Amino acid sequence: QVQLQESGPGLVKPSETLSLTCTVSGGSISSNYWSWIRQSAGKGLEWIGRIYPSGNTNYNPSLKSRVTMSVDTSKNQFSLKLSSVTAADTAVYYCAEDTDTYWGQGTLVTVSS
Amino acid sequence: DIQMTQSPSSLSASVGDRATITCRASQSISTYLNWYQQKPGKAPKLLIYAASSLQSGVPSRFSGSGSGTDFTLTISSLQPEDFATYYCQQRYSTPYTFGRGTKLEIK
Repeated sequence: QVQLQESGPGLVKPSETLSLTCTVSGGSISSNYWSWIRQSAGKGLEWIGRIYPSGNTNYNPSLKSRVTMSVDTSKNQFSLKLSSVTAADTAVYYCAEDTDTYWGQGTLVTVSS
Repeated sequence: DIQMTQSPSSLSASVGDRATITCRASQSISTYLNWYQQKPGKAPKLLIYAASSLQSGVPSRFSGSGSGTDFTLTISSLQPEDFATYYCQQRYSTPYTFGRGTKLEIK
């Protein structure tokens, strides 16, 4: 059974960079796309993007200028960086396996000074 | 981006009722549509993929239909654990987009 767990700061200051890591257990990260999705009261569920272990990425154009995803196959982890955050980036952030069968539990990130 | 419009936004029903939720895409997405169930404080759970395929472990009272732009999720006989929020998602092209959700409440 594949399990995913998000980790990272729950509070980020405006204009700084949000950084989250997703650790995959019970399966290899090496053979699928892995996604980040966020959920806020204002915008509902929003697909942020996905990464393949080779490094190939697809980003949501609405966030593309601020998003960077990476993968570390040796640690079975993938990561999200979102730069220049504002209060509008406050949300629960989920990592998921790209077929959306497996999701992390989600982590709330609040942008506030 | 492909826009996904769900209706209704909320639905009140009783245990044993049949519930139907619809989702319309702003352009044809073939059958590249998923349905999810979400309960408070939990991640969305995949119920239906490819418009009509039941995810493993999901009760058979859930079914999906449709193709092109119009899709339906049906719950044949509501159980207490089915009261939750339901979302559709298109996976035809990135960025994958979700509907705004349908909150299914107990009458």
